[in-house]
Amino acid sequence: GENVEQHPSTLSVQEGDSAVIKCTYSDSASNYFPWYKQELGKRPQLIIDIRSNVGEKKDQRIAVTLNKTAKHFSLHITETQPEDSAVYFCAAGQTGANNLFFGTGTRLTVIP
Amino acid sequence: GAVVSQHPSWVICKSGTSVKIECRSLDFQATTMFWYRQFPKQSLMLMATSNEGSKATYEQGVEKDKFLINHASLTLSTLTVTSAHPEDSSFYICSARVFSGSGYEQYFGPGTRLTVT
Repeated sequence: GENVEQHPSTLSVQEGDSAVIKCTYSDSASNYFPWYKQELGKRPQLIIDIRSNVGEKKDQRIAVTLNKTAKHFSLHITETQPEDSAVYFCAAGQTGANNLFFGTGTRLTVIP
Repeated sequence: GAVVSQHPSWVICKSGTSVKIECRSLDFQATTMFWYRQFPKQSLMLMATSNEGSKATYEQGVEKDKFLINHASLTLSTLTVTSAHPEDSSFYICSARVFSGSGYEQYFGPGTRLTVT
């Protein structure tokens, strides 16, 4: 089965700085990589995803990169703001298949 | 994005009783829904995949007789925790699979916090 590892587990940055969260996966058949943001006591929210036919995707201040050869993908948040503080989960799966396999999460704290 | 609701948002029950949690897709039909369990400060653990009109598929280590799943319609899946015990206390979150055009995406419900006393 798929195994997703995520680093770091906690990350603190100053407001305005960039934050990078990295994930690796094991199953070369995985071709769908979403990122979720979860605030305390709330539902995980899909913030961006990437499919294996592209190497990078950007949406305003967030971007995701994918390296299929190395089996890793990363989330980049630029110009961080206090409201970016949350737990971020990466996941990997196959388009059309059922399961998403989640990383262990990264608690991001943006210091004003 | 697609909207998934969950009810109740929190519930407290006594040990030995059963609790039913509902997961609804509000603006779309979901042939497939998922049930996750999340312990404090931990990741999402997939418990089972719920398919409309058929039996749920449980992940290894999840007792199907304890966590009963029913997906009777295209907009509703229920999880019943039977004979609940304090160790079942957790945050239970459902999600629904939606086809977006480029592939499937998963959207989560708001979760149900279960406390068993």
